Amino acid sequence: AQSVTQPDIHITVSEGASLELRCNYSYGATPYLFWYVQSPGQGLQLLLKYFSGDTLVQGIKGFEAEFKRSQSSFNLRKPSVHWSDAAEYFCAVGGGSGGSNYKLTFGKGTLLTVNP
Amino acid sequence: ETGVTQTPRHLVMGMTNKKSLKCEQHLGHNAMYWYKQSAKKPLELMFVYNFKEQTENNSVPSRFSPECPNSSHLFLHLHTLQPEDSALYLCASSQEGRGQAFFGQGTRLTVV
Repeated sequence: AQSVTQPDIHITVSEGASLELRCNYSYGATPYLFWYVQSPGQGLQLLLKYFSGDTLVQGIKGFEAEFKRSQSSFNLRKPSVHWSDAAEYFCAVGGGSGGSNYKLTFGKGTLLTVNP
Repeated sequence: ETGVTQTPRHLVMGMTNKKSLKCEQHLGHNAMYWYKQSAKKPLELMFVYNFKEQTENNSVPSRFSPECPNSSHLFLHLHTLQPEDSALYLCASSQEGRGQAFFGQGTRLTVV
């Protein structure tokens, strides 16, 4: 069964500081990996995704993530955080249960607070 | 605007009421999903529809009844809910085999 672990429930950084959010996954094959962001009362917005190829993927809003198969990780990074980045971030792994199904398994999320 | 629209955005219902949540996608996708997001818990996949056929039901209680009349519309019919069913219900769609899911803004459901 696929699973996702986000070890940090809550992270606080200062505006302008760098950010790294951790994500570890368990999946029996080559996974599809995603990072989503959710602002209060809103749905989930895709930041970036990894399907194959280059293990360093670029996303929207200046975010990037690196797929490390040996560590089963897909950590999200941003070199300089902006106050508007304060939100909850979800890592997800995708894959079907066989056949043509497709579904996502999410981590519990990391809440990011940005101090001025 | 993600191309996935959910209505209503907020819903308060009593335990004996019957209500329905609606989801509509304008992306031409052929797969649609219902997720439940409760406080302190990961998003839980409830139902998956591929080409209007239900392909997954993650042991969801029968008081939740999905309906997918066509590949653009998805409903979640609710009846005799419990207070613990209060949550944010998110609809998503994707093109089967293409990975990325697009989410609606959700319906905040409160059961009183």
